[in-house]
Amino acid sequence: GAGVSQSPRYKVAKRGQDVALRCDPISGHVSLFWYQQALGQGPEFLTYFQNEAQLDKSGLPSDRFFAERPEGSVSTLKIQRTQQEDSAVYLCASSLEGRNTGELFFGEGSRLTVL
Amino acid sequence: SQQGEEDPQALSIQEGENATMNCSYKTSINNLQWYRQNSGRGLVHLILIRSNEREKHSGRLRVTLDTSKKSSSLLITASRAADTASYFCATVGQGAQKLVFGQGTRLTINP
Repeated sequence: GAGVSQSPRYKVAKRGQDVALRCDPISGHVSLFWYQQALGQGPEFLTYFQNEAQLDKSGLPSDRFFAERPEGSVSTLKIQRTQQEDSAVYLCASSLEGRNTGELFFGEGSRLTVL
Repeated sequence: SQQGEEDPQALSIQEGENATMNCSYKTSINNLQWYRQNSGRGLVHLILIRSNEREKHSGRLRVTLDTSKKSSSLLITASRAADTASYFCATVGQGAQKLVFGQGTRLTINP
């Protein structure tokens, strides 16, 4: 596709449920990033992939959060046993470059609401 | 944790006026970027300035970078109602891969 695609756009989960958020980056983009954005705040870094390798997962808030990019293209962010504090917009971004991060192309985000 | 801090947090001006937003950061950087986010949408890249550059222009946008003060400014000239959005600065540290965002400035352009 022409841009970064994320699905679902909106997800409502009951506390304790598992959720999976999908990101389709721009074709050929080497780097893929996940960010979490709380209401009225800036995006907070979660994790970074270069092709299929997860090079930085320092931003994942707990071991309930897991991300993968098995074939170096589509990525999935999984949140197990969701909690209310997980409610946020989850943004995916991709970049053509593998080093020296340049411009990021963002998807529209997946808005997660945990009840 | 946020690297950059934007100032002001919110700015409201009349259409046609210029808007200036400032960003300060803490550590040495490779580059600094500005992004725009319309309500409920993803972020859109506006401009990138490298650590060895001092000023950059793109259309109605002018960005300056002062590495000695660890600060940057974004100037939008001749503002339009369509410029209403949140604006974020983001930095890439030396040797780092990730972009670290500030809290943003919410800009409102009144017609």
